[in-house]
Amino acid sequence: GQQLNQSPQSMFIQEGEDVSMNCTSSSIFNTWLWYKQEPGEGPVLLIALYKAGELTSNGRLTAQFGITRKDSFLNISASIPSDVGIYFCAGQSGYSTLTFGKGTMLLVSP
Amino acid sequence: GAVVSQHPSWVICKSGTSVKIECRSLDFQATTMFWYRQFPKQSLMLMATSNEGSKATYEQGVEKDKFLINHASLTLSTLTVTSAHPEDSSFYICSAREGSTSGWAYEQYFGPGTRLTVT
Repeated sequence: GQQLNQSPQSMFIQEGEDVSMNCTSSSIFNTWLWYKQEPGEGPVLLIALYKAGELTSNGRLTAQFGITRKDSFLNISASIPSDVGIYFCAGQSGYSTLTFGKGTMLLVSP
Repeated sequence: GAVVSQHPSWVICKSGTSVKIECRSLDFQATTMFWYRQFPKQSLMLMATSNEGSKATYEQGVEKDKFLINHASLTLSTLTVTSAHPEDSSFYICSAREGSTSGWAYEQYFGPGTRLTVT
Protein backbone atom coordinates (compact mmCIF):
# COMPACT_ATOMS: atom_id res chain seq x y z
CA GLY A 1 0.00 0.00 0.00
CA GLN A 2 0.86 3.65 0.00
CA GLN A 3 3.63 4.77 2.31
CA LEU A 4 3.86 8.05 4.11
CA ASN A 5 7.09 10.01 3.93
CA GLN A 6 8.37 10.17 7.48
CA SER A 7 11.49 12.08 8.44
CA PRO A 8 14.02 12.00 9.78
CA GLN A 9 14.79 8.32 9.50
CA SER A 10 16.78 8.41 12.72
CA MET A 11 17.93 10.88 15.36
CA PHE A 12 20.65 10.68 17.99
CA ILE A 13 20.30 13.41 20.57
CA GLN A 14 21.40 14.41 24.03
CA GLU A 15 19.08 14.12 26.99
CA GLY A 16 17.17 17.35 27.51
CA GLU A 17 17.02 18.30 23.84
CA ASP A 18 13.76 18.83 21.98
CA VAL A 19 12.88 16.55 19.07
CA SER A 20 10.74 17.09 16.01
CA MET A 21 9.66 14.60 13.38
CA ASN A 22 7.08 14.81 10.62
CA CYS A 23 5.09 12.92 8.05
CA THR A 24 3.81 14.00 4.67
CA SER A 25 1.45 12.33 2.28
CA SER A 26 0.18 12.85 -1.23
CA SER A 27 -3.30 11.87 -0.01
CA ILE A 28 -5.65 13.56 2.39
CA PHE A 29 -6.31 11.84 5.69
CA ASN A 30 -9.12 12.35 8.19
CA THR A 31 -7.11 11.00 11.11
CA TRP A 32 -3.44 11.11 12.02
CA LEU A 33 -2.05 8.82 14.67
CA TRP A 34 1.37 8.71 16.28
CA TYR A 35 2.72 5.49 17.78
CA LYS A 36 5.89 4.56 19.68
CA GLN A 37 7.38 1.11 19.41
CA GLU A 38 10.07 -0.25 21.71
CA PRO A 39 12.18 -3.31 20.83
CA GLY A 40 10.21 -6.55 20.97
CA GLU A 41 6.93 -4.77 21.66
CA GLY A 42 3.91 -3.70 19.68
CA PRO A 43 3.28 -0.04 18.86
CA VAL A 44 1.68 2.05 21.58
CA LEU A 45 -0.67 4.87 20.63
CA LEU A 46 0.65 8.25 21.75
CA ILE A 47 -1.64 10.83 20.18
CA ALA A 48 -4.65 10.77 17.85
CA LEU A 49 -5.62 13.79 15.75
CA TYR A 50 -9.00 14.24 14.05
CA LYS A 51 -9.26 17.80 12.76
CA ALA A 52 -7.16 19.82 10.37
CA GLY A 53 -5.14 22.31 12.37
CA GLU A 54 -5.66 20.42 15.62
CA LEU A 55 -2.80 20.67 18.11
CA THR A 56 -2.82 18.06 20.86
CA SER A 57 -0.46 17.43 23.76
CA ASN A 58 0.24 14.34 25.84
CA GLY A 59 2.74 15.24 28.54
CA ARG A 60 5.97 16.25 26.81
CA LEU A 61 4.58 15.22 23.43
CA THR A 62 2.80 17.59 21.10
CA ALA A 63 1.39 16.69 17.70
CA GLN A 64 -0.39 18.71 15.05
CA PHE A 65 -2.69 17.79 12.19
CA GLY A 66 -1.60 19.84 9.20
CA ILE A 67 -4.07 22.32 7.77
CA THR A 68 -3.85 20.68 4.32
CA ARG A 69 -4.68 17.28 5.89
CA LYS A 70 -1.58 15.91 4.18
CA ASP A 71 0.94 16.24 6.96
CA SER A 72 1.49 15.98 10.68
CA PHE A 73 4.35 16.56 13.08
CA LEU A 74 5.30 15.24 16.49
CA ASN A 75 7.44 17.17 18.95
CA ILE A 76 9.03 15.79 22.09
CA SER A 77 10.28 18.34 24.56
CA ALA A 78 13.09 17.84 27.08
CA SER A 79 13.87 14.31 25.93
CA ILE A 80 14.82 11.62 28.43
CA PRO A 81 16.49 8.22 27.91
CA SER A 82 13.17 6.35 28.08
CA ASP A 83 12.00 8.22 24.97
CA VAL A 84 14.21 5.84 22.99
CA GLY A 85 12.26 3.86 20.43
CA ILE A 86 10.83 3.99 16.95
CA TYR A 87 8.07 6.51 16.33
CA PHE A 88 5.56 5.81 13.58
CA CYS A 89 3.02 8.12 12.08
CA ALA A 90 -0.11 6.64 10.55
CA GLY A 91 -2.84 8.19 8.45
CA GLN A 92 -6.39 7.02 8.07
CA SER A 93 -9.45 8.00 6.06
CA GLY A 94 -12.80 6.90 7.43
CA TYR A 95 -12.75 3.18 8.02
CA SER A 96 -9.76 2.53 5.80
CA THR A 97 -6.74 0.63 7.03
CA LEU A 98 -3.88 2.61 8.50
CA THR A 99 -1.12 3.81 6.22
CA PHE A 100 2.15 3.82 8.14
CA GLY A 101 5.27 5.87 7.80
CA LYS A 102 8.59 4.04 7.82
CA GLY A 103 9.40 5.21 11.31
CA THR A 104 11.85 7.51 13.04
CA MET A 105 14.35 5.81 15.30
CA LEU A 106 15.16 8.00 18.29
CA LEU A 107 18.24 7.45 20.40
CA VAL A 108 18.84 9.58 23.50
CA SER A 109 22.17 9.68 25.25
CA PRO A 110 22.20 10.48 28.98
CA GLY B 1 -8.46 1.00 28.76
CA ALA B 2 -7.96 -0.18 25.15
CA VAL B 3 -5.74 -3.14 25.92
CA VAL B 4 -4.95 -5.77 23.32
CA SER B 5 -3.23 -8.97 24.36
CA GLN B 6 -1.45 -11.56 22.28
CA HIS B 7 -0.48 -15.10 23.07
CA PRO B 8 2.07 -16.50 22.93
CA SER B 9 4.63 -13.72 23.10
CA TRP B 10 7.17 -15.96 21.43
CA VAL B 11 7.14 -19.40 19.89
CA ILE B 12 9.68 -21.71 18.31
CA CYS B 13 8.40 -24.43 16.05
CA LYS B 14 9.77 -26.96 13.63
CA SER B 15 9.45 -26.57 9.91
CA GLY B 16 6.24 -28.11 8.61
CA THR B 17 4.22 -27.65 11.77
CA SER B 18 1.39 -25.17 12.34
CA VAL B 19 1.30 -22.40 14.91
CA LYS B 20 -1.71 -20.53 16.25
CA ILE B 21 -1.46 -16.99 17.63
CA GLU B 22 -4.32 -15.50 19.64
CA CYS B 23 -5.27 -11.84 19.82
CA ARG B 24 -7.75 -10.53 22.35
CA SER B 25 -9.24 -7.12 23.03
CA LEU B 26 -9.55 -7.06 26.81
CA ASP B 27 -11.75 -4.07 27.55
CA PHE B 28 -13.57 -3.26 24.35
CA GLN B 29 -15.36 -5.01 21.54
CA ALA B 30 -13.31 -5.11 18.40
CA THR B 31 -15.46 -5.27 15.31
CA THR B 32 -12.32 -5.15 13.20
CA MET B 33 -8.99 -6.81 13.85
CA PHE B 34 -5.83 -6.57 11.82
CA TRP B 35 -2.77 -8.77 11.50
CA TYR B 36 0.61 -7.29 10.70
CA ARG B 37 4.03 -8.69 10.07
CA GLN B 38 7.17 -6.75 10.87
CA PHE B 39 10.72 -7.46 9.75
CA PRO B 40 13.68 -6.05 11.71
CA LYS B 41 14.08 -2.29 11.37
CA GLN B 42 11.08 -2.02 9.08
CA SER B 43 7.60 -0.65 9.34
CA LEU B 44 4.51 -2.77 9.88
CA MET B 45 3.18 -4.67 6.89
CA LEU B 46 -0.55 -5.32 6.91
CA MET B 47 -1.35 -8.95 6.17
CA ALA B 48 -5.12 -9.06 6.53
CA THR B 49 -8.18 -7.35 7.95
CA SER B 50 -10.97 -9.28 9.59
CA ASN B 51 -14.42 -8.22 10.68
CA GLU B 52 -16.20 -10.27 13.31
CA GLY B 53 -18.18 -13.08 11.73
CA SER B 54 -16.82 -12.46 8.23
CA LYS B 55 -14.02 -13.86 6.15
CA ALA B 56 -10.74 -12.00 6.38
CA THR B 57 -9.60 -9.70 3.59
CA TYR B 58 -6.00 -10.44 2.69
CA GLU B 59 -3.51 -7.97 1.28
CA GLN B 60 -1.97 -8.65 -2.06
CA GLY B 61 0.78 -11.25 -1.88
CA VAL B 62 -0.39 -12.80 1.40
CA GLU B 63 -1.38 -16.45 1.02
CA LYS B 64 -4.77 -16.99 2.62
CA ASP B 65 -4.27 -20.75 2.79
CA LYS B 66 -1.04 -20.32 4.67
CA PHE B 67 -2.13 -17.63 7.08
CA LEU B 68 -5.54 -18.67 8.36
CA ILE B 69 -7.45 -15.98 10.21
CA ASN B 70 -10.51 -16.51 12.33
CA HIS B 71 -12.43 -13.70 14.02
CA ALA B 72 -15.17 -15.66 15.72
CA SER B 73 -16.05 -13.18 18.44
CA LEU B 74 -15.83 -9.46 19.15
CA THR B 75 -12.87 -10.01 21.45
CA LEU B 76 -10.87 -12.77 19.82
CA SER B 77 -9.05 -13.28 16.55
CA THR B 78 -6.58 -16.02 15.74
CA LEU B 79 -3.84 -16.31 13.14
CA THR B 80 -2.68 -19.80 12.24
CA VAL B 81 0.54 -20.14 10.28
CA THR B 82 0.17 -23.48 8.52
CA SER B 83 3.08 -25.65 7.45
CA ALA B 84 5.52 -23.07 8.73
CA HIS B 85 8.90 -22.62 7.08
CA PRO B 86 11.96 -20.67 8.21
CA GLU B 87 11.03 -17.76 5.94
CA ASP B 88 7.84 -17.35 7.99
CA SER B 89 9.96 -16.40 10.99
CA SER B 90 8.99 -12.88 11.90
CA PHE B 91 7.33 -10.61 14.43
CA TYR B 92 3.55 -10.84 14.10
CA ILE B 93 1.44 -8.07 15.62
CA CYS B 94 -2.32 -7.93 15.87
CA SER B 95 -4.38 -4.79 16.19
CA ALA B 96 -7.96 -4.17 17.17
CA ARG B 97 -10.41 -1.38 16.49
CA GLU B 98 -13.75 -0.71 18.09
CA GLY B 99 -16.72 -0.21 15.81
CA SER B 100 -18.39 3.15 15.38
CA THR B 101 -21.69 4.39 14.03
CA SER B 102 -20.49 7.95 13.60
CA GLY B 103 -18.69 7.40 10.34
CA TRP B 104 -15.33 7.90 12.00
CA ALA B 105 -13.26 4.91 12.93
CA TYR B 106 -12.01 4.65 16.49
CA GLU B 107 -8.32 4.45 17.19
CA GLN B 108 -6.48 1.27 16.43
CA TYR B 109 -4.66 -0.43 19.32
CA PHE B 110 -1.89 -2.96 18.97
CA GLY B 111 -1.00 -6.11 20.82
CA PRO B 112 2.52 -6.69 22.16
CA GLY B 113 3.46 -8.95 19.25
CA THR B 114 4.49 -12.58 18.85
CA ARG B 115 7.99 -13.54 17.83
CA LEU B 116 7.82 -16.66 15.65
CA THR B 117 10.96 -18.63 14.93
CA VAL B 118 10.73 -21.60 12.60
CA THR B 119 13.68 -24.00 12.74
